Amino acid sequence: DAEITQSPRHKITETGRQVTLACHQTWNHNNMFWYRQDLGHGLRLIHYSYGVQDTNKGEVSDGYSVSRSNTEDLPLTLESAASSQTSVYFCASSLGLGDGYEQFFGPGTRLTVL
Amino acid sequence: GQQVMQIPQYQHVQEGEDFTTYCNSSTTLSNIQWYKQRPGGHPVFLIQLVKSGEVKKQKRLTFQFGEAKKNSSLHITATQTTDVGTYFCAGLYNDMRFGAGTRLTVKP
Repeated sequence: DAEITQSPRHKITETGRQVTLACHQTWNHNNMFWYRQDLGHGLRLIHYSYGVQDTNKGEVSDGYSVSRSNTEDLPLTLESAASSQTSVYFCASSLGLGDGYEQFFGPGTRLTVL
Repeated sequence: GQQVMQIPQYQHVQEGEDFTTYCNSSTTLSNIQWYKQRPGGHPVFLIQLVKSGEVKKQKRLTFQFGEAKKNSSLHITATQTTDVGTYFCAGLYNDMRFGAGTRLTVKP
């Protein structure tokens, strides 16, 4: 069955370190998204991609980067981790954007920055 | 900026009572989606509304999209313990923007 996976599921790191969170989907979806979830803020969009070699900044992109070298993967990199980036990170994918295109979410990665 | 406001933030009900969560946007939305996230889980798509004034039902859940396509609501009739979770709306602007969510707890 098609799915979307994230790794690691839990990560503890130190301030200033570079961290990469992986997201892999087998739906063959064009669109992929990264969100962070914090209490009281819901899901906030970090970066998104509409296809290979395409990346776009979302609402809270500062301190994060993504690259899309193939359809299946959209890794999220924290260049220099900060305590404010402690959060739960969700990756999602969708076939398209607009009518009828639901987003499928991965299980999430809980990141703690000490 | 483009933002979807969702209220209330929390709602605690007795099993069998009704529940409603509301989303409002300052600008017109192309469409609105609703998601449910169980405690410890990930958001799961419930439904999408596209047309002005649209009403859709899923068993005990009723979803409405306002005439001006700036607001939406989710109403659950006779809540059950299985309804526990956080309900999010997500509006399509240039990209998807999620509301802060309404966390529903149900007392048996």
